[in-house]
Amino acid sequence: GAVVSQHPSRVICKSGTSVKIECRSLDFQATTMFWYRQFPKQSLMLMATSNEGSKATYEQGVEKDKFLINHASLTLSTLTVTSAHPEDSSFYICSASTGIVTDTQYFGPGTRLTVL
Amino acid sequence: QKEVEQNSGPLSVPEGAIASLNCTYSDRGSQSFFWYRQYSGKSPELIMFIYSNGDKEDGRFTAQLNKASQYVSLLIRDSQPSDSATYLCAVKKSGYSTLTFGKGTMLLVSP
Repeated sequence: GAVVSQHPSRVICKSGTSVKIECRSLDFQATTMFWYRQFPKQSLMLMATSNEGSKATYEQGVEKDKFLINHASLTLSTLTVTSAHPEDSSFYICSASTGIVTDTQYFGPGTRLTVL
Repeated sequence: QKEVEQNSGPLSVPEGAIASLNCTYSDRGSQSFFWYRQYSGKSPELIMFIYSNGDKEDGRFTAQLNKASQYVSLLIRDSQPSDSATYLCAVKKSGYSTLTFGKGTMLLVSP
């Protein structure tokens, strides 16, 4: 149980274009979903927290107009990187929590974004 | 003082040995503690969580929590080369939904 999927797993795009990444909880309803970014050999960095039907809460330094998050249902959250630039190239990982007991976060497999 | 501290390693152990991974945290309001494993180029995978003082065992893994000392550890028995990965300690504070991660400890298990 507690499976989280992400799509696409890899994406290459041209500078200036927008990219949408989907995150789905497959076998549970996720009260909260989280978006992280990880650069090579660095720690996970939390970008934002989203609850279904609410606006996302962004971490300090994360541009909300650049990284659009939509949490449309209890099983789906999307991250759209708008007007992507090469410095946005990174490994984007979502996680979902059940909101039960310890509120454990389960991670998706990640999306590797390369902006040319 | 960092909120969650881990030795970056690498921690090298021979196959079959016990690997001991340690984590300290600074906020006494921390409520739940998680260990994740992350292989290079992959996303984190939950190993186990603990929220009560003492030991919790799951297969070859044992998590140990000492809230008085603000210390949580992960023991891996009968270490295998496939256990070679970065192990992330994460802490959840009471009233918060987010996790605070340590930088991770790299474990290398040699055949």
